[in-house]
Parts: sequence; C-alpha cells; structure tokens
Amino acid sequence: DIQMTQSPSTLSASVGDRVTITCRASQSISRWLAWYQQKPGKVPNLLIYEASSLESGVPSRFSGSGSGTEFTLTISSLQSDDFATYYCQHYNSHAGTFGQGTKLEIK
Amino acid sequence: EVQLVESGGGLVQPGGSLRLSCGASGFTFSSYWMSWVRQAPGEGLEWVANIKQDGSEKYFVDSVKGRFTISRDNAKNSVSLQMNSLRVEDTAVYYCAREPTGQRGLFDKWGQGTLVTVSS
Repeated sequence: DIQMTQSPSTLSASVGDRVTITCRASQSISRWLAWYQQKPGKVPNLLIYEASSLESGVPSRFSGSGSGTEFTLTISSLQSDDFATYYCQHYNSHAGTFGQGTKLEIK
Repeated sequence: EVQLVESGGGLVQPGGSLRLSCGASGFTFSSYWMSWVRQAPGEGLEWVANIKQDGSEKYFVDSVKGRFTISRDNAKNSVSLQMNSLRVEDTAVYYCAREPTGQRGLFDKWGQGTLVTVSS
C-alpha cells in the first residue's frame, strides 16, 4: 500500500506569511494528489486535485505543485480564515490514502 | 446545490451493529461512485468503503472487510453502510462523500457526518 507522509505536523505562522506544506508518497503516484482543508468541527473541503488544479471557488492564494513522490501546498499570503488542518491524499484507485495532516496555527 | 445528508449514527456496544444512510440531492446520483470516509476523534481521515454507480463493484479498507457492507438505491438517491461486529476502534464521525466523474477516490462533496460511538 502507498503511504502518504506530511511535514511538518504543525506549522505556526502569521497572517500575511507565505507557507508551504510538503507531502511525500512512498512510491510514485504521478500527479494523483489532492489537498483538503478542514476547520475544527467542520467538513473537509477539497482545495486542489491532480497536484495543481484548483477546485472551483478556492482562492487563488492556494497552489499546489509536484509529481512522482513529492508534492507541496503553498498559501501565498495567509489569511485568518486559513488556519486549519490540511490533508494530502493519493487517489486514482478504489482506495484513497490520506496523509496524517498538518495543523496550521496562528503564531 | 449538491447535498449529502447522513443519518443513523449513535452509541452502540462492542459487537453490535449500526446502519448508516446518506441521502443525496442536487446531482444525478446514479452517475457517481460514492464513498464513506471516517475520522476518529482528534485523528485524521480514513477512507472506509465505496460503491460503483450501479452497485456492481464495492471496496473496503482492510480493517472493516467482512464486517461492513455498502449498498445503494439509485431510485431513492441513497447509499448505506451496514456496520456489524463493531469495535471500539470504529468510533468516528462517518462522512458520506461523492467521487467526481473520472477522478476515482477523490472526494469533491461531503456530507456533514454522523457520529458513531462504540463503547460499553
């Protein structure tokens, strides 16, 4: 089974900062990688699919890149609404595998 | 507007059973794979099971194989998860999620979730 590992597990940042979260796959997954945002007590929200395609309605300050085994989610200028937990996910099979999550906290 | 509404969660003793349901609206339900994804308290997300548009293919995470079954009723726009032989470690919020066409295993719409608590 393919394992997804995110880093860091927790990230402290300030409004206006540029932040990057990394996701690594245990083997090549081409570009079959998605990113979700989840706020406390809320439902996960799809941000990015196919590594870099922005889901409709998601602000352009979110971007994704990578292929193969290493991927990144970048938020160009943090807004207060962005403090949440972010999950990467490998898909394109009958079983989607999530990373363990990165909690983005206010510094 | 796409809506997914789960029901059926609750408190059950270890070894017990529970049936979750998810009602869908706002899209052509019969055209989509549907999944169940769970999240244990304070933990991350875990895909549990999914079912093909016509119900002919079903898949499960290893930890629930032989205990959980998934079914759907396209006439009623609903998908269900029958959970038997429940364990404490099955305690989680269970989300119903839609897989967009051509993107197997991706989840573009989620329900609000229903909490299942397995405890004596």
